[in-house]
Amino acid sequence: AQSVTQPDIHITVSEGASLELRCNYSYGATPYLFWYVQSPGQGLQLLLKYFSGDTLVQGIKGFEAEFKRSQSSFNLRKPSVHWSDAAEYFCAVGVPSGSARQLTFGSGTQLTVLP
Amino acid sequence: DTGVSQDPRHKITKRGQNVTFRCDPISEHNRLYWYRQTLGQGPEFLTYFQNEAQLEKSRLLSDRFSAERPKGSFSTLEIQRTEQGDSAMYLCASSLVRDVNEQFFGPGTRLTVL
Repeated sequence: AQSVTQPDIHITVSEGASLELRCNYSYGATPYLFWYVQSPGQGLQLLLKYFSGDTLVQGIKGFEAEFKRSQSSFNLRKPSVHWSDAAEYFCAVGVPSGSARQLTFGSGTQLTVLP
Repeated sequence: DTGVSQDPRHKITKRGQNVTFRCDPISEHNRLYWYRQTLGQGPEFLTYFQNEAQLEKSRLLSDRFSAERPKGSFSTLEIQRTEQGDSAMYLCASSLVRDVNEQFFGPGTRLTVL
């Protein structure tokens, strides 16, 4: 079965600083990979996804992520963080086969942005 | 707004009571998923429907839980004889069969069992 690890429970950055959130996955082949963001009291919003092809994917709100097969990683980056980026971020994997195609999520990284 | 909607957004109940939540997916989406999210954790898969058929259930879904999607549109999730351990956010998501991995999530129903 697939699994996702987000090693950082909480990250604090200053506004304007760069950001990298780590995600490692475990799966026998290349899974589908996602990053979602969740603001307090809100559902999950998809930031970006990777299915195949170019390993650097661009998403909404200026986020990007890079798939590295050798490291089983899919880290999320943003060059300059805005105060509105404060939220919880979840990495998720989906398997490319099987019927349910449910997502398996990591435990999340809480991002605090200092003024 | 044509996104996924859930009702109610918050529910407080006493232990032992039954509760029912509703999810309205994006109208053309034929797959509907339920997830549970406890504090400090990511969402965990509970069950999913393709049209009106419930095709898979997680081991997390005990006998006290039942889900329906009678006409292949909205879905309900019922919890009978609630326990304090059922306190969580219940999230609904929908997707198209041809793009099953891109799931769109609703705002969730936060359940508190006293």
